[in-house]
Amino acid sequence: SQQGEEDPQALSIQEGENATMNCSYKTSINNLQWYRQNSGRGLVHLILIRSNEREKHSGRLRVTLDTSKKSSSLLITASRAADTASYFCATDGWNTGFQKLVFGTGTRLLVSP
Amino acid sequence: SQTIHQWPATLVQPVGSPLSLECTVEGTSNPNLYWYRQAAGRGLQLLFYSVGIGQISSEVPQNLSASRPQDRQFILSSKKLLLSDSGFYLCAWTTGLAGGYEQYFGPGTRLTVT
Repeated sequence: SQQGEEDPQALSIQEGENATMNCSYKTSINNLQWYRQNSGRGLVHLILIRSNEREKHSGRLRVTLDTSKKSSSLLITASRAADTASYFCATDGWNTGFQKLVFGTGTRLLVSP
Repeated sequence: SQTIHQWPATLVQPVGSPLSLECTVEGTSNPNLYWYRQAAGRGLQLLFYSVGIGQISSEVPQNLSASRPQDRQFILSSKKLLLSDSGFYLCAWTTGLAGGYEQYFGPGTRLTVT
């Protein structure tokens, strides 16, 4: 079963606005990652935050992690039309030392010019 | 640099026909390899993963199978496709080291079973 659940399922904003997506998960994690998927393409890794980290930045991306609430948020600042894509969170659990990711259902972001 | 290839890009197959999707990785050795399926508008479902040649673990019981004949080659197969096998199939790899590394995805294969 999928562990990550993104909220909202869809988000529509104007260029220049900020976009915030949330992810909730159910069990303890080692790391949480965010991926981006353009329509009909493979996923691209955006950022990884470890369970002992609370916030991480990468360019216009800001990720927070609250392990007490089992939730994470992805903030995209000053959005651009090119940010239009689906965004997925993924959590990992260890299975005999092998990394498996469990993906959420994603947030579809539409940024209008 | 590492590159991951998948083919074919799109495939339309009749129910009951066989399937073979191929994934190859360049520029790395002994990767962990994964097959995912993504239904329309949904997240990714892990189907199979492999930590080495000939080592396959199945996550979801179904009429699909996977094989890893070479270190950087991962094949997804079926003897008889079902309508429910339609979807977007993604191959991914990651380093075999422990530590929470990101996964790198191929471009995907869009499979339509008619």
